[in-house]
Amino acid sequence: GAVVSQHPSRVICKSGTSVKIECRSLDFQATTMFWYRQFPKKSLMLMATSNEGSKATYEQGVEKDKFLINHASLTLSTLTVTSAHPEDSSFYICSARGQRHARTQYFGPGTRLLVL
Amino acid sequence: GESVGLHLPTLSVQEGDNSIINCAYSNSASDYFIWYKQESGKGPQFIIDIRSNMDKRQGQRVTVLLNKTVKHLSLQIAATQPGDSAVYFCALYAGNMLTFGGGTRLMVKP
Repeated sequence: GAVVSQHPSRVICKSGTSVKIECRSLDFQATTMFWYRQFPKKSLMLMATSNEGSKATYEQGVEKDKFLINHASLTLSTLTVTSAHPEDSSFYICSARGQRHARTQYFGPGTRLLVL
Repeated sequence: GESVGLHLPTLSVQEGDNSIINCAYSNSASDYFIWYKQESGKGPQFIIDIRSNMDKRQGQRVTVLLNKTVKHLSLQIAATQPGDSAVYFCALYAGNMLTFGGGTRLMVKP
């Protein structure tokens, strides 16, 4: 099956710094990538949808200036948490969708962010 | 907006028994349903899916049942094993929008 990777798998940063998380589709071209956030013992909440070469579409309540998303190529999307605060600590998961099957999303392994 | 929920947040079963995890949804336009398994610290893993023109689909040790009349979805795991311990999410599509349910933690007792 298709593989999606994320890097880093976990990161600890100081409050006020910015953190970049990468999401890569390893063996297929992802026309669309999705970024989810998951709090402990909670479900996945969609943050934004990004299409290659265009601006991301953010869900209601998600600050686009806080969570910068770039989908510069068909295999890479990045999520940058700017001026991170402890409440940004969470599990961030990306998924990718190819051109052939519009409803098949392949999920990455997630990135654990801890902001001190 | 869409509401997808689960009846039981935690399910504890004895190894070897069958497990049933339930999910209710509200959007009658939903036409494609997926069950995911998520182990601690990992991303969701696809288990099985079903389209709205079916009411049952079987995989290896897993069966998904869909009752569109009452908007209910269930995942049955036969002969539950310790490796099945995880959180299970139902998710559904309406158009190209995927929505996740709240999740049920399955604990398998040896």
